[in-house]
Amino acid sequence: DAGVIQSPRHEVTEMGQEVTLRCKPISGHNSLFWYRQTMMRGLELLIYFNNNVPIDDSGMPEDRFSAKMPNASFSTLKIQPSEPRDSAVYFCASSLVSGNTGELFFGEGSRLTVL
Amino acid sequence: AQSVAQPEDQVNVAEGNPLTVKCTYSVSGNPYLFWYVQYPNRGLQFLLKYITGDNLVKGSYGFEAEFNKSQTSFHLKKPSALVSDSALYFCALTNAGKSTFGDGTTLTVKP
Repeated sequence: DAGVIQSPRHEVTEMGQEVTLRCKPISGHNSLFWYRQTMMRGLELLIYFNNNVPIDDSGMPEDRFSAKMPNASFSTLKIQPSEPRDSAVYFCASSLVSGNTGELFFGEGSRLTVL
Repeated sequence: AQSVAQPEDQVNVAEGNPLTVKCTYSVSGNPYLFWYVQYPNRGLQFLLKYITGDNLVKGSYGFEAEFNKSQTSFHLKKPSALVSDSALYFCALTNAGKSTFGDGTTLTVKP
């Protein structure tokens, strides 16, 4: 199994530019999560999907952030326009089951630096 | 509201000694608790989980965790630490389909 695949692994951009992060969950998993990790704030849940439908986006910082899951094998997290405070590692994770009992399988993360 | 606390930022142990990484939680309803490990520049990896049943849960790489409802704790343990266990450990609580993570504990095992 290839695991959760994220791209790009590293992204350096300038303030004001659009950033798109991509995720391919494990085949057959029906829940997908986007997390952000920073030293100051730890791991924060941004949004999660069940069966491609956004369930809870209360963690999305502001309107500059948007996420989509057009099908079961692909999701994107977009930041437009980007700001230096968006610099973080963004993780995508998937789970075989929705609800409370399934463990998360994380990708390797996308490290974003906004100058 | 749910929360998870890892009271120690760092735990240092000598190789071969037992290790404990502490976690306490707060939730209304049944707790669903998880431990994950993160190595540098990598994603989190699942170690073990408590859903129901036996309070002692065994997981990957020789780790185990003890669920204690009265103390609202879920401490991670290993009888004999290895240098390769050095990493960042996260406790997580899942409720309403969302996982809340603690701030993490850096475990350093010295030879």
